[in-house]
Amino acid sequence: GQSLEQPSEVTAVEGAIVQINCTYQTSGFYGLSWYQQHDGGAPTFLSYNGLDGLEETGRFSSFLSRSDSYGYLLLQELQMKDSASYFCAALMNRDDKIIFGKGTRLHILP
Amino acid sequence: NAGVMQNPRHLVRRRGQEARLRCSPMKGHSHVYWYRQLPEEGLKFMVYLQKENIIDESGMPKERFSAEFPKEGPSILRIQQVVRGDSAAYFCASSPPVAGAYNEQFFGPGTRLTVL
Repeated sequence: GQSLEQPSEVTAVEGAIVQINCTYQTSGFYGLSWYQQHDGGAPTFLSYNGLDGLEETGRFSSFLSRSDSYGYLLLQELQMKDSASYFCAALMNRDDKIIFGKGTRLHILP
Repeated sequence: NAGVMQNPRHLVRRRGQEARLRCSPMKGHSHVYWYRQLPEEGLKFMVYLQKENIIDESGMPKERFSAEFPKEGPSILRIQQVVRGDSAAYFCASSPPVAGAYNEQFFGPGTRLTVL
């Protein structure tokens, strides 16, 4: 089967750093994406790792290790507006479907 | 450049009725994906279409569900004889003919289907 595992909830303090881990078990793995979804909203793309290593986009960074079937999303300088659900998603083949994890709900405390 | 459009945003149906969900991809995008999301759950892939072709329907239930993406007009996800378990948010996403560096999919606002 194909599955992605990530924690269901994470709590952090405003201004802090938080890491959301994702392990995957898929066939035909091409790359790992991260999407953000606010309550009642649509998923929006955050980052993509096609190669091993760290990708940095402003306050957000994402990491991939293919040998460990593992990735993470790192959010720095947390803001209240970052309270949302974060989904890791495995791209199966280029131009193909995405398999989503169940999402991590990030709670941010003032 | 308008984003992915879906309509209706909310749809209420009684058991046994049909539900038709529409998705217009972003301008220039020829790949359409449909996902279903249950409350407190991730998105589950249903079907991937290109114009007039179903590329991958491995996530579609075998019965009552169908999808199309005609040469002209929006993509349609059709659910016949709806049951309460079909109540969910249905998201459509699109991507361009040639994948960009990030293989990003652009999501519409979703259609929230409620079956009474």
